[in-house]
Amino acid sequence: DQQVKQNSPSLSVQEGRISILNCDYTNSMFDYFLWYKKYPAEGPTFLISISSIKDKNEDGRFTVFLNKSAKHLSLHIVPSQPGDSAVYFCAVYSTGTASKLTFGTGTRLQVTL
Amino acid sequence: GAGVSQSPRYKVAKRGQDVALRCDPISGHVSLFWYQQALGQGPEFLTYFQNEAQLDKSGLPSDRFFAERPEGSVSTLKIQRTQQEDSAVYLCASSSLIRQLSGANVLTFGAGSRLTVL
Repeated sequence: DQQVKQNSPSLSVQEGRISILNCDYTNSMFDYFLWYKKYPAEGPTFLISISSIKDKNEDGRFTVFLNKSAKHLSLHIVPSQPGDSAVYFCAVYSTGTASKLTFGTGTRLQVTL
Repeated sequence: GAGVSQSPRYKVAKRGQDVALRCDPISGHVSLFWYQQALGQGPEFLTYFQNEAQLDKSGLPSDRFFAERPEGSVSTLKIQRTQQEDSAVYLCASSSLIRQLSGANVLTFGAGSRLTVL
């Protein structure tokens, strides 16, 4: 069973516009949420995170929103740049169990000129 | 080193062969993780080491998979009698923190070893 879902396998956005990547999870025990970015032939790199006590965290062009009641988080990138083209994974874990990161299946973002 | 280093980057094995994948974590990092990423999927947890102790191996898919970190630094993931379903990218990650995950604990991933089993 898929505990973390990214229902959009791909997304294409024009440079300068907003990119919105979505992630849904099933287990309410998850209380820490992260986004990783992955370029081809490289490992995932940490982008931004949010704990369950917040509903928004911002870092430059990147903002993560958390809706606990809907078990939904999203990553907003504005303005989008061509260098943002990559695969984005959401990842979740439960601090209570200090368990492993559970990743979504990823969304490939293409930022076009 | 500056980052997590994995070797080989690419490995082609015939079904039934044994393979060994190596991970050099960031120097001084206590925690080390192995993940398996199948094509089109997200990384899936395999196992976790704190120094030389393997504290969690719940993600290893079968007893053909074995991981070790004898001196608390370099780790090796061994797959015996490889099968086609073992084809994947094997990612290693390390962290300076003792607890596997804590707060915004950032795992630093290597570039991975891509295994293709024919």
